Amino acid sequence: AQSVSQHNHHVILSEAASLELGCNYSYGGTVNLFWYVQYPGQHLQLLLKYFSGDPLVKGIKGFEAEFIKSKFSFNLRKPSVQWSDTAEYFCAVRGASGGYNKLIFGAGTRLAVHP
Amino acid sequence: KAGVTQTPRYLIKTRGQQVTLSCSPISGHRSVSWYQQTPGQGLQFLFEYFSETQRNKGNFPGRFSGRQFSNSRSEMNVSTLELGDSALYLCASSPPDRNTGELFFGEGSRLTVL
Repeated sequence: AQSVSQHNHHVILSEAASLELGCNYSYGGTVNLFWYVQYPGQHLQLLLKYFSGDPLVKGIKGFEAEFIKSKFSFNLRKPSVQWSDTAEYFCAVRGASGGYNKLIFGAGTRLAVHP
Repeated sequence: KAGVTQTPRYLIKTRGQQVTLSCSPISGHRSVSWYQQTPGQGLQFLFEYFSETQRNKGNFPGRFSGRQFSNSRSEMNVSTLELGDSALYLCASSPPDRNTGELFFGEGSRLTVL
């Protein structure tokens, strides 16, 4: 079955701490991978995506993610978080062929950053 | 450019009733997807429409249906409501000529079933 697993449901960090949010997926075939973010009171928006090529992708606001095919993982990282990174983060996968906009999302990770 | 607009924003129904939710995509976007968001489950894909045709469907019972009009506006309907249908229903649109997987989400319609 196609699924996405996010290991941490809640993460609490202090400003300047490093962040890594885990994401593992189960999907047969070639995939595209995404991280979406929802800031308090705002819409879900795309943070970064991986289609092919360099497995280390960079997104907005200093976030990056690494695709490790052998581990079926796509972990999100940021070297130094800010209070404004407080949000809920969703990892998602879709089939690279014919997936269109059918994304399989994880349950989300709520990140709280304390000043 | 106006974003994705969903109406109504909030609604309360009782079991057995039906509900219709509406979504107006960003101008020029022809793909509209619907997702159900519940605490602990994340977002679950319901269906996607493109040029008035259902292009993909998730694993929801037949009580959940949708359609898209010629102006790309979309509606979803849930019949014979159950308590478990209480959720935030999100609509997302995407540009027609780029298969980027980037979805532009609306604020959602929060449905409470009593």
